[in-house]
Amino acid sequence: GQQLNQSPQSMFIQEGEDVSMNCTSSSIFNTWLWYKQDPGEGPVLLIALYKAGELTSNGRLTAQFGITRKDSFLNISASIPSDVGIYFCAGHQGGSEKLVFGKGTKLTVNP
Amino acid sequence: DGGITQSPKYLFRKEGQNVTLSCEQNLNHDAMYWYRQDPGQGLRLIYYSQIVNDFQKGDIAEGYSVSREKKESFPLTVTSAQKNPTAFYLCASRGTLTTDTQYFGPGTRLTVL
Repeated sequence: GQQLNQSPQSMFIQEGEDVSMNCTSSSIFNTWLWYKQDPGEGPVLLIALYKAGELTSNGRLTAQFGITRKDSFLNISASIPSDVGIYFCAGHQGGSEKLVFGKGTKLTVNP
Repeated sequence: DGGITQSPKYLFRKEGQNVTLSCEQNLNHDAMYWYRQDPGQGLRLIYYSQIVNDFQKGDIAEGYSVSREKKESFPLTVTSAQKNPTAFYLCASRGTLTTDTQYFGPGTRLTVL
């Protein structure tokens, strides 16, 4: 099946640093979603984006729906140890019942 | 509390046995999904159901079966035909009011010995 190109694959940062990750595709998407998954748990929805150009914040998290509708990014500001986990992007295309997922960005935060 | 529950959290089975994973939601969502996750991999769609008594194969349906007899329940059976069943299984649901957004359960880790 189709997959989104998510980068970077992993990140090792110091507590307090800002983080940026992104997802790209050669296809257009109508919705972009960002999830966080803790080890052994199910993904939790962080931010949902429904409109091209939309910029949405959730606390220290900010995500944008790219103007071309082929990409999205997620920023985390002033990282803390509990930000550790795997972040997944997902996109939805019109006419489909399915989501397309990226392979995830594994974030490690050193205290 | 509204949400999606999966049970059990950990499941061990002997090779050659069928096993059924439970997924229940009380969100009144119409659509439900089953995904498989392997270490370092993204999520791969096994089966999905948009409405009761109807379901469709996803990208990796071979060796799996599902049923959707009730709106709130979407059990997944991992059959002995599944060649590599050890994985983390995730159930998700989506409501019509939440457009394309899927919400996930806590997952079941299946280990076949």
